[in-house]
Amino acid sequence: GNSVTQMEGPVTLSEEAFLTINCTYTATGYPSLFWYVQYPGEGLQLLLKATKADDKGSNKGFEATYRKETTSFHLEKGSVQVSDSAVYFCALSGQGGSEKLVFGKGTKLTVNP
Amino acid sequence: DAGVTQSPTHLIKTRGQQVTLRCSPKSGHDTVSWYQQALGQGPQFIFQYYEEEERQRGNFPDRFSGHQFPNYSSELNVNALLLGDSALYLCASSFYEVSYEQYFGPGTRLTVT
Repeated sequence: GNSVTQMEGPVTLSEEAFLTINCTYTATGYPSLFWYVQYPGEGLQLLLKATKADDKGSNKGFEATYRKETTSFHLEKGSVQVSDSAVYFCALSGQGGSEKLVFGKGTKLTVNP
Repeated sequence: DAGVTQSPTHLIKTRGQQVTLRCSPKSGHDTVSWYQQALGQGPQFIFQYYEEEERQRGNFPDRFSGHQFPNYSSELNVNALLLGDSALYLCASSFYEVSYEQYFGPGTRLTVT
């Protein structure tokens, strides 16, 4: 079945540092890929998405590129802020409209001033 | 435009009891999915409802059941609660044809003692 593997956390960075959170997936066909963010005590918010190979999703300075050849969707940000501290989840959805989301285990990011 | 709402926010139950959680989807959405998020883990898909029917189900026992009402709101019922059912229960809504793009509510924190 479909699965997502993300880098183990926690990740601790200083403000303005570069962020990379690795995500690889296993899926049949052409899944859609997502990054969700969960702030303390809250539900999940969609951060960005990519629905086909070579697409780049971007939002709030975060980017991720759908790489089918390496089955990866790594999250990057050039300069993190304290307010980016949260748990980040990589997820995929199979082909077709009515598909469930399959999540990775999450990576906790802490950004220190 | 109200987003996805869930009630209650927190709940404490005893082993063997039954619980009902409620979800109202984002305005215009017709599909509701439920996820269980154990502490420190990614969300796991429980089931999805559309047109008042269960359309997909994850690897959860029959103790977990649900319902969708004509106004698209939904309930999740869990019978014979186990300690292992303690988790954050997330509801997500979407359009059925584009149900990979899901919007999450803040969740209900269930503690089973």
